Formats: sequence, C-alpha cells, structure tokens
Amino acid sequence: EAGVAQSPRYKIIEKRQSVAFWCNPISGHATLYWYQQILGQGPKLLIQFQNNGVVDDSQLPKDRFSAERLKGVDSTLKIQPAKLEDSAVYLCASRIRQGGYEQYFGPGTRLTVT
Amino acid sequence: AQSVTQPDIHITVSEGASLELRCNYSYGATPYLFWYVQSPGQGLQLLLKYFSGDTLVQGIKGFEAEFKRSQSSFNLRKPSVHWSDAAEYFCAVAPYNTDKLIFGTGTRLQVFP
Repeated sequence: EAGVAQSPRYKIIEKRQSVAFWCNPISGHATLYWYQQILGQGPKLLIQFQNNGVVDDSQLPKDRFSAERLKGVDSTLKIQPAKLEDSAVYLCASRIRQGGYEQYFGPGTRLTVT
Repeated sequence: AQSVTQPDIHITVSEGASLELRCNYSYGATPYLFWYVQSPGQGLQLLLKYFSGDTLVQGIKGFEAEFKRSQSSFNLRKPSVHWSDAAEYFCAVAPYNTDKLIFGTGTRLQVFP
C-alpha cells in the first residue's frame, strides 16, 4: 500500500511570496490533516478535512493560509504572503475513517522563508 | 489546560543500553495515547498506541510503553538500543472521543557506539 505522498519536499522562498504544497493521502482514507512543525517543536494541527469538508480549521491563520480538498482526495495548502515565521515542515496525514485513530504521515515539505 | 509534556529534550545512550523516554499528559479523562518516531527528513511513524485494556503495550522495533493512570504517564521503553534508533520521538494524545492529535515537544535520542 502506497503511503501519503507530498510535494515538493523542499521549498525556499522570499518573504511576501506565495507557495503551495500538495498532498495525496492513502487511497480510501477519508480524513486528511495538515500540520505545521516548527524546528524544535512537535507538529501542530492546522486543518482537518473529512472527505472534502472542513472539520476543524481553528488553528489555521486564515489571513494568509488557505487549504482545499477538492473531490475528497488530494489536498493543497497555500501560504500567501509568506512570513519568516512560516519557516517549518508542513506535514500531511491521513486516516481511514472516524473512529480509526491511527494517522499516517507523509514525509513533509520543508519550507524556508528568507 | 490540556497539555503533553516530554521533559527530556535530548537523551544520549550507548548502543545496547536500555532506554526510557518520559511522557506526561494533563487531561480530564484518559485520552488515547501514542508514540511516534521521526528520523531526519522523514515523516512520523507510529511506534505504538494505547486505547484501553492492558496497560503495557508492545510496538514495532522492540519498543514498549506502559500507561500509568495514577501518574498520568505513558513512558516509552526499549531494553537494548540499536544505533538505528537514533531519531526524534514524539508522544501524542487524542483527547477522549476526539480524533485530534496533540503532540509533545519531542525527545531527541542520540546513540553512541
């Protein structure tokens, strides 16, 4: 079974530029998560989707971050405009369904904002 | 406030030595408990989880963890560490009846030959 795929793996941008990350969850997984992991910290949930609907985006800085999951499969996370403090690893995870608590993580995208 | 604490930021052990990584949580009811490992440049891999039942749970790669309700702890152990175990270890909790993971700050494990 293929795992969670993410691209790109690395991205360097200047502040005020925009960037987008892509995630393809494990086939059949209805729930998808985006996490932000700042260096030296544990991952922090940004947004959770159930199929193509948003379940929780309370931690998403909506003035600059946006995410979508069209058709309930792939997802994109966008930052516009980026700030220096957005430098982090962005992790995507998926879970088969509600009640199945195990989340499977992708390799992440390391973003550096200069 | 709800929290997950990993008091050890960095631990160094010799190969073959035993290992214990500490995790404490602060929640009203017993949450679901997890340990994940993250190798450099990799995503998080689940080592083991506790939902209910036997308080000593076995995981992959020879790891085990013990849930102690009285101490609100879920410490990770391994009897003999291998050099390939060098990585960052995260304790995580999902508050009861939710599916949200809240992570600790992690413990970086270094293994000397």
